[in-house]
Amino acid sequence: GAGVSQSPSNKVTEKGKDVELRCDPISGHTALYWYRQSLGQGLEFLIYFQGNSAPDKSGLPSDRFSAERTGGSVSTLTIQRTQQEDSAVYLCASSPPGTGPNQPQHFGDGTRLSIL
Amino acid sequence: AQSVAQPEDQVNVAEGNPLTVKCTYSVSGNPYLFWYVQYPNRGLQFLLKYITGDNLVKGSYGFEAEFNKSQTSFHLKKPSALVSDSALYFCAVRERQGAGSYQLTFGKGTKLSVIP
Repeated sequence: GAGVSQSPSNKVTEKGKDVELRCDPISGHTALYWYRQSLGQGLEFLIYFQGNSAPDKSGLPSDRFSAERTGGSVSTLTIQRTQQEDSAVYLCASSPPGTGPNQPQHFGDGTRLSIL
Repeated sequence: AQSVAQPEDQVNVAEGNPLTVKCTYSVSGNPYLFWYVQYPNRGLQFLLKYITGDNLVKGSYGFEAEFNKSQTSFHLKKPSALVSDSALYFCAVRERQGAGSYQLTFGKGTKLSVIP
């Protein structure tokens, strides 16, 4: 079956521009996560959506970062006024309903963002 | 706060030899522990998890991991390495209870190279 789909797979943009990254989770998965993976670093948690609950935005590094999840499915991560330090791979993951903390997350292949 | 340490940035092993990738963790309560693998330009794939019960957990592709509470470790092992095992391996921890129980904390990853 279809996995987590992310688009675009690669994005190159100039410093100062806004970018939108898209995540289409596995159908029926209610939990959705965004992570950032920088070179030589582990995965940094950014934001978490669970059903209709208010998202946990505690991992967003600055107010230039925001995310939405429409209709409980597709999510968009927006970075405004991009900076070179925003260059990274942005990974999305989802997990099924009734999810307890013991459920593994299913990851997309990520969007590789390069800021010139 | 929870944290994960993977003390080795890189592990090299000859094909056919046993491999170990180390992981230690810190949580305030009891942990859920995970191993993920990442191949180049791909997202993370779930390998195995420790929830409760038997300290030796078996997972995908012949991997296993041993939970050691006294040493707060969860090392990944495989009896006989394959060249195709070469990838980046991430250990992750989640607390069983509390507001952050849905949030995975990842280590920085260990690059495994299996030499033919």
